[in-house]
Amino acid sequence: SQKIEQNSEALNIQEGKTATLTCNYTNYSPAYLQWYRQDPGRGPVFLLLIRENEKEKRKERLKVTFDTTLKQSLFHITASQPADSATYLCAPTDTGRRALTFGSGTRLQVQP
Amino acid sequence: NAGVTQTPKFQVLKTGQSMTLQCAQDMNHNSMYWYRQDPGMGLRLIYYSASEGTTDKGEVPNGYNVSRLNKREFSLRLESAAPSQTSVYFCASAQDNQPQHFGDGTRLSIL
Repeated sequence: SQKIEQNSEALNIQEGKTATLTCNYTNYSPAYLQWYRQDPGRGPVFLLLIRENEKEKRKERLKVTFDTTLKQSLFHITASQPADSATYLCAPTDTGRRALTFGSGTRLQVQP
Repeated sequence: NAGVTQTPKFQVLKTGQSMTLQCAQDMNHNSMYWYRQDPGMGLRLIYYSASEGTTDKGEVPNGYNVSRLNKREFSLRLESAAPSQTSVYFCASAQDNQPQHFGDGTRLSIL
């Protein structure tokens, strides 16, 4: 069966450091993978999409990598700030599918 | 900039009661989705609608019905609520396979 694994343990880091979050998947052949941010009491908000033929994508302080051989995506936040504290969700999506399946998310806490 | 609007924000029901969760989007998106989110389970798809007039089951459709009333509105109905349906429900919309836009959820408790 298809499975998406994100660290269930919260990630605590100091302000200014780089946060790295991991998304592993099995039994998917994703055409692309999306990352979303979710704050407490709010709905998820889209951050970045990376396609299967892209190794890396950047947006401001965010960087996503996608390794289809390892079946893994890494999400990096450089120069992290307390405002980056949130839960981050990944969603690998197979070709032709509209509906998303999300990982359970990793909570990031950036300490000032 | 309303985006996706869900009503109500909170609701408490007794077992066996029925209710409809409302969702409306103002972005002219074709596709709309209903998810539930439970602690440690992540978001799970209940139903989705790829276009007006069509609906399809997701991962956890049992106990729910949906209606795509028009392009803007997609409602989720619980005919006979059960405690296992206590959850936070999110509606989302998207244009085809583009990233999804979510509402802020309905927090539903069933006693």
